[in-house]
Amino acid sequence: AQSVTQLGSHVSVSEGALVLLRCNYSSSVPPYLFWYVQYPNQGLQLLLKYTTGATLVKGINGFEAEFKKSETSFHLTKPSAHMSDAAEYFCAVTGGSGGGADGLTFGKGTHLIIQP
Amino acid sequence: ETGVTQTPRHLVMGMTNKKSLKCEQHLGHNAMYWYKQSAKKPLELMFVYSLEERVENNSVPSRFSPECPNSSHLFLHLHTLQPEDSALYLCASSHRQQGRAEAFFGQGTRLTVV
Repeated sequence: AQSVTQLGSHVSVSEGALVLLRCNYSSSVPPYLFWYVQYPNQGLQLLLKYTTGATLVKGINGFEAEFKKSETSFHLTKPSAHMSDAAEYFCAVTGGSGGGADGLTFGKGTHLIIQP
Repeated sequence: ETGVTQTPRHLVMGMTNKKSLKCEQHLGHNAMYWYKQSAKKPLELMFVYSLEERVENNSVPSRFSPECPNSSHLFLHLHTLQPEDSALYLCASSHRQQGRAEAFFGQGTRLTVV
């Protein structure tokens, strides 16, 4: 069984400030972890993923995340926020030992607000 | 056309209607999914098809009926829905192979049941 907890349903940062969105997971098998972004009335777009190997992963739009097994965390960061980053962000997990068809378990999402 | 395409984008239906949602993927994937996204609730996995066989059904009411005629197409047949079924329905696909578990999503169908 897997679960994802995203701390903070809303996060507000100033334009140019550091973005930090928190994600903690629970998994009984080695996890594959993902961050997705959703703009209004759109589907989900993959930002980045961790499967195996390097624990610091870089994604699109300047985002990156670090897999920390000891903390069961996969927090998303971006050094400098841009107005276009305002969106809903979802952390997700699936079993890494599966065949890739297990489906994703999502957190409740974090709404990122960028203040001018 | 590339990616995952869902039609229609918006649908309003009465509780006695029958309608179908369509999803098509052009990514060569062999697994497809339906998710439900309601306000203030996490995305809920409804159905999983892998190699055109249903492998998961997360206690979804029988008024939702999926169909996967081939690896590129997925349908969700709807009948006698309830107002609480109003939501964004998202289709996704992935490649059934280790290390490639990311899902690619369509833009969703916004369903309103009246």
